Amino acid sequence: QVQLVQSGAELEKPGASVKVSCKTSGYIFTDYLIHWVRQAPGQGLEWMGWINPINGNTNSAQRFQGRVTMTRDTSSNTIDMEVTSLSSDDTAIYYCARDSIRPHGGYVFDYWGQGTLVTVSS
Amino acid sequence: QSALTQPASVSGSPGQSITISCTGTSSDVGSYNLVSWYQQHPGKVPKLMIYEVNKRPSGVSNRFSGSKSGNTASLTISGLQAEDEAHYYCCSYLGSSRGMFGGGTKVTVL
Repeated sequence: QVQLVQSGAELEKPGASVKVSCKTSGYIFTDYLIHWVRQAPGQGLEWMGWINPINGNTNSAQRFQGRVTMTRDTSSNTIDMEVTSLSSDDTAIYYCARDSIRPHGGYVFDYWGQGTLVTVSS
Repeated sequence: QSALTQPASVSGSPGQSITISCTGTSSDVGSYNLVSWYQQHPGKVPKLMIYEVNKRPSGVSNRFSGSKSGNTASLTISGLQAEDEAHYYCCSYLGSSRGMFGGGTKVTVL
């Protein structure tokens, strides 16, 4: 069965960086894009970006460009996302989600990770 | 960056039908049939309900349907049930390999 398992909660100080991992299983890793979505406390969903596991190509929302880096490891079927220059506004649950539309994606998120809470506080 | 506008809240009685709108522009919702809808119960992971405007994934009740007219996509829930009480989010492709979620709609079953 398809599974996306994320790394555990993180507590970071303002100005620091955080890396969240998403380990996938149950399907061919390189067949589907992976997106990142975040949700601040009590707020809505926010699309952050995607990575194509077959070639490592990425794209992100304009507001995250230069601050978010997504990478993949085809040996472990894992996607990592690093967010730099953290502020309290980055406190949120971060989700990875698989895009079910092959090969180029269609913003159809059929499987989600369990979410990783990132708290930014001094 | 464009925004997708949803009503903050919609309510209905059990058995009724409700419709949630998601309004974009001619550059996003109006240009692509890449609108999806997600249901999220408190403390839970979002669940895909509708994709490509009006397609329903396997396992999703046929009480949920999607449509689009011009720059506005809509999610209709028919035969409203208590378990439908949740937040609902639309998501659209914006072009330039980017996407966006709407602000979300809280559905209350009276």
